[in-house]
Formats: sequence, C-alpha cells, structure tokens
Amino acid sequence: DAMVIQNPRYQVTQFGKPVTLSCSQTLNHNVMYWYQQKSSQAPKLLFHYYDKDFNNEADTPDNFQSRRPNTSFCFLDIRSPGLGDAAMYLCATSRDFSETQYFGPGTRLLVL
Amino acid sequence: DQQVKQNSPSLSVQEGRISILNCDYTNSMFDYFLWYKKYPAEGPTFLISISSIKDKNEDGRFTVFLNKSAKHLSLHIVPSQPGDSAVYFCAAKGRGGNTGKLIFGQGTTLQVKP
Repeated sequence: DAMVIQNPRYQVTQFGKPVTLSCSQTLNHNVMYWYQQKSSQAPKLLFHYYDKDFNNEADTPDNFQSRRPNTSFCFLDIRSPGLGDAAMYLCATSRDFSETQYFGPGTRLLVL
Repeated sequence: DQQVKQNSPSLSVQEGRISILNCDYTNSMFDYFLWYKKYPAEGPTFLISISSIKDKNEDGRFTVFLNKSAKHLSLHIVPSQPGDSAVYFCAAKGRGGNTGKLIFGQGTTLQVKP
C-alpha cells in the first residue's frame, strides 16, 4: 500500500540536544509538508518542499530545519530543542499544491 | 489570531442519530475547505471537501455544508456509527497561492455511543 511513514513514532530527547525526525513516502508526491501539533491545538505548518524547492513559514523558528535528499524522504531537524518544542510532528504529502494531502501517523516528541 | 475555529472540543451522539460538527472561519480569502478524521495513533485522513463555489457536498453518510455569508461550515454524519468516533479537523486553503497550506481548526472529538 502506498503510504506516508514516520520514524520514530515516539522520540525522547534532552533539552538542547539535536534531534532528527524522519518521513518517507511511497506515493511519489512532489510536495512534502511538516506540521507541528501541540496538545489540543490545531496542526500548524512549519515548512514544505515542492520537489527540491524549500519554503519556510514566516513564523517557523530558526531552530527548525529541514532536508529533502530525494523525492521519497524528508527530515525535520531541531537543532536545540526546548521544552516548548514538545509536540506531535506530522508529515504530509500531496501530488501538487491543489491536491489532497496525505498524512503520516506522526512522531510524538518529548523534551526532558 | 486563529483563522479557523472549532468551538466544540467534544460531541457525543447515539448510534444511528445525526452528528453535526461545526467550523467557523474569519478569512474571506479561503476558497477550499476540508474535513479530516483522526483516530488515535494515526495521522489525519481526508474525509470530504467543498469548494467555495458550492454550498453543499455529499459523499455517502457525510455531507458538508458551506455558508459563505456566515463564514461557517458544518459536517453532517447520518446515520452515525461507533466507528465514526474520532477527532475531526476542519481545514481551509487560501485562494491562489502556491503553497497548498492548510489552516486547521483545533479539532472536535466525536464519540458515537452504541
């Protein structure tokens, strides 16, 4: 089955210790998105890639970076996690901007 | 400033009855609206959508209504089934643009009791 996969599902890191979250897709979609969802809040877009073109949302902190080495994979790097970065991180893909977005199961990040 | 709001955090209905989930938005530039359903430990899955040129879209037991003048949309589930118990997110997309960015509401947890 074509799908969006996120690893790990749960990630525990220490305050200030860099962490990388992974997303892969078998849908061959051009666009990949990263959303942050804090408890009982709406998912919020951090950035997206259209092919190799990267677009950062204006209010995404510099602490958050992303890499897309190929069509299938996209990584979210948090350089120095703070307690406020504890959240669910959702990866999504779409064939084009106008198409439906397909979400992975998310990675829940805990910062100690 | 929250542009998409779901003011009811939770809703409980009896199996077989109608579930109505509501969503309000503030930005008149939104031209496409979607509902996603999310089960625990899974990502959101697309349920149904509506373009701003329509006021109703139906897909089986699910119907979405759009009232542009009131900046309000609702999702009706008839009849409700226990398997519909999940968190429902309303989302909106802006006119034009080149990001596909979705603005989500906070979600409403629906519980359908057998």
